[in-house]
Amino acid sequence: GAGVSQSPSNKVTEKGKDVELRCDPISGHTALYWYRQSLGQGLEFLIYFQGNSAPDKSGLPSDRFSAERTGGSVSTLTIQRTQQEDSAVYLCASSLASSGGIYEQYFGPGTRLTVT
Amino acid sequence: GESVGLHLPTLSVQEGDNSIINCAYSNSASDYFIWYKQESGKGPQFIIDIRSNMDKRQGQRVTVLLNKTVKHLSLQIAATQPGDSAVYFCADPQAAGGTSYGKLTFGQGTILTVHP
Repeated sequence: GAGVSQSPSNKVTEKGKDVELRCDPISGHTALYWYRQSLGQGLEFLIYFQGNSAPDKSGLPSDRFSAERTGGSVSTLTIQRTQQEDSAVYLCASSLASSGGIYEQYFGPGTRLTVT
Repeated sequence: GESVGLHLPTLSVQEGDNSIINCAYSNSASDYFIWYKQESGKGPQFIIDIRSNMDKRQGQRVTVLLNKTVKHLSLQIAATQPGDSAVYFCADPQAAGGTSYGKLTFGQGTILTVHP
């Protein structure tokens, strides 16, 4: 079946602009995760959503970053007033569930964000 | 281990050799670990996992060893093939504490290059 999809695959933006990154999880997956991969910081957790529970936002690096998940499916990661240090590959993953159990996370191909 | 800046360890092997990739973890209470493979331009892909009640787990051409005494994991790939060339990460969902398995903390990664 279809895997996790992300759009756009590449995004170039000017410093100070806002960007929105989209993630379509695997159908039926109740948990959705965002990670960031950069040369300076490696692969780091940002936020995750599990069903109707409040999201775990503990990895968001600043209040310029936010995410929402509408209807328990598609998620959008928004970065306001982008800075050059926001340049990275943003990865989305989904799984059947995360609370109380172990479920494999399936990753999308990522969105490469470049802030000029 | 923690990602503190990206001079990734590299491992270069000949096709047919066995490869061993190492990872250290920090939380002695962590009870579950995962190995991921990331090919260029793609998201990480699950390879194999292990729970802390095991010392060894085998998959197809891969074996993960867990040494809880020294908080060390290794991934062994038998008869390495050019298609195994990728970056390999260990991940610990409990590195930051807690009992949830949702929030993955990744090691810095190892670049494996397999020469035909």
